[in-house]
Amino acid sequence: ETGVTQSPTHLIKTRGQQVTLRCSSQSGHNTVSWYQQALGQGPQFIFQYYREEENGRGNFPPRFSGLQFPNYSSELNVNALELDDSALYLCASSYGTVNSPLHFGNGTRLTVT
Amino acid sequence: GQQLNQSPQSMFIQEGEDVSMNCTSSSIFNTWLWYKQDPGEGPVLLIALYKAGELTSNGRLTAQFGITRKDSFLNISASIPSDVGIYFCAGQDAMEYGNKLVFGAGTILRVKS
Repeated sequence: ETGVTQSPTHLIKTRGQQVTLRCSSQSGHNTVSWYQQALGQGPQFIFQYYREEENGRGNFPPRFSGLQFPNYSSELNVNALELDDSALYLCASSYGTVNSPLHFGNGTRLTVT
Repeated sequence: GQQLNQSPQSMFIQEGEDVSMNCTSSSIFNTWLWYKQDPGEGPVLLIALYKAGELTSNGRLTAQFGITRKDSFLNISASIPSDVGIYFCAGQDAMEYGNKLVFGAGTILRVKS
């Protein structure tokens, strides 16, 4: 069984640039969620995708957007990067949208300078 | 918004000691989960709780879903050095945004020297 994989593992961008992060869900999982984890804090929910549509969104501005593909993999896009966007971005997959434990990847460490 | 208060913030363990941590919420959750995160990795699911009052074990770990559905605790018995890491509680409300998880700020377990 293949777990959740994310790429790249590390990334350095300049303020104002755009970034795309990628995630492959665990085999058999059809739902993908994205979380932002700032240093020393717990992860914060960004949004979730189910059947290629956004299925819930946290308190993040529209410059955070995403996609889910037919093979259930997903992308997180962030436009107009700000210094505060520096964080670990975690992808999690699950089966369905109700009472299904999330399994996380190892994240992408984004640094904005 | 929903918030989880996790305590203690950090603690030191000596091999063989029992460890206890807990999480309280201002909101009701349908599911409580406990995760462990090691440096450079994503959170790993330890225990999932689905019913109020439920007590579940996973090896040396035991967790309970509080009767009020607003709290949960995690106990680790006979701690070993590899128990060091950050432990997160997370609440999941199936009525809101599918599988959205609300995380606590984490409990850091360190080895007593």
